[in-house]
Amino acid sequence: DGGITQSPKYLFRKEGQNVTLSCEQNLNHDAMYWYRQDPGQGLRLIYYSQIVNDFQKGDIAEGYSVSREKKESFPLTVTSAQKNPTAFYLCASNGDSYSNQPQHFGDGTRLSIL
Amino acid sequence: AQSVTQPDIHITVSEGASLELRCNYSYGATPYLFWYVQSPGQGLQLLLKYFSGDTLVQGIKGFEAEFKRSQSSFNLRKPSVHWSDAAEYFCAVSTSGTYKYIFGTGTRLKVLA
Repeated sequence: DGGITQSPKYLFRKEGQNVTLSCEQNLNHDAMYWYRQDPGQGLRLIYYSQIVNDFQKGDIAEGYSVSREKKESFPLTVTSAQKNPTAFYLCASNGDSYSNQPQHFGDGTRLSIL
Repeated sequence: AQSVTQPDIHITVSEGASLELRCNYSYGATPYLFWYVQSPGQGLQLLLKYFSGDTLVQGIKGFEAEFKRSQSSFNLRKPSVHWSDAAEYFCAVSTSGTYKYIFGTGTRLKVLA
């Protein structure tokens, strides 16, 4: 079955450490997205990518970085500059960014501070 | 500013009762509207979408939603709720030619046996 795989499901970060969240899709989608979800705040866009080797900042990109070297993969790095990283992180994809197709979501990664 | 409002943070209904979850949006252009459901610790699953045409749309799991342009609303309904419907529900809006989806803050549904 086609879908989006996020790993790990749970992740713990130590002070001053960078951590990377994995997102892989086999839906042949061009566009991929990273969202942060906090209780009572809905989903906020961190970064999105419309095509390989290209990505743009979303609403809350500070303290995060991404890469898009392959169509299937869009990893998110939470850097030590992100002072409040505890949240649920969701990766999504759709056919392309401008056709308004529904986004498909992975099952998320929960990041906590040690 | 563009926004999506889900006025009810929590809703509790008895199993077998009807359900309506409210969603209001503020958008300058013609909106594309979505409802998603999220079970605890899981991602979001699409229930239904509205792009154009018939303003009453049917989705999965027996859900439907009605687009009312005059009220800027896209409320989600189900005639008879099942215990398995307990989850968090998100309304989302997009508009033509943009990457951006705006999500509401969610409504958490509790179902009483």
